[in-house]
Amino acid sequence: QSALTQPASVSGSPGQSITISCTGTSSDVGGYNYVSWYQQHPGKAPKLMIYDVSNRPSGVSNRFSGSKSGNTASLTISGLQAEDEADYYCSSYTSSSYVFGTGTKVTVL
Amino acid sequence: QVQLQESGPGLVKPSGTLSLTCAVSGGSISSSNWWSWVRQPPGKGLEWIGEIYHSGSTNYNPSLKSRVTISVDKSKNQFSLKLSSVTAADTAVYYCASAVIRYWYFDLWGRGTLVTVSS
Repeated sequence: QSALTQPASVSGSPGQSITISCTGTSSDVGGYNYVSWYQQHPGKAPKLMIYDVSNRPSGVSNRFSGSKSGNTASLTISGLQAEDEADYYCSSYTSSSYVFGTGTKVTVL
Repeated sequence: QVQLQESGPGLVKPSGTLSLTCAVSGGSISSSNWWSWVRQPPGKGLEWIGEIYHSGSTNYNPSLKSRVTISVDKSKNQFSLKLSSVTAADTAVYYCASAVIRYWYFDLWGRGTLVTVSS
């Protein structure tokens, strides 16, 4: 199984919205509504931000939203804040295993 | 509040076996969770290694399956990872994580432990 494809970096100014894409295949992203997104600050463990494509865990800001079309999932961060600067990884369930994305570094300008 | 804590040697020799343990505190390893190992080489992305249920059922990443064994010790409330024939490419921060059964995301993570493969 190959890693899901994400852009290496995305940047935006405070208050702006950005979108991170996550492209897989019909065997993973396109085949299941089990895409999740994780935020990782340097030296820290990943934190769940979105699950099942578009659901937010309790405590996660509603500025984070997720969607999916075909084999591509997306994470949108609206009202970008300095604290959102981090690495973001998508993940998809696929036939008794999981695959992660390549990761995207979000920079707040 | 359930917490996960990884432990094990921080240095392993090439061709040796990497062994790590994840202790589950604040809850039971026999709860309805799948228990996973995820690793992250320095400066790189996340890679799922495999998972185990308290019954002993396992699933592994196909690319690592031949070298990985994950086991559970219910008496100690912990689960373990063994990765054989390691090389420098196995140098990474190793995380344990959990997913509630029939839910396909990791809602709980340990802090991670760095394992370096070097002679």
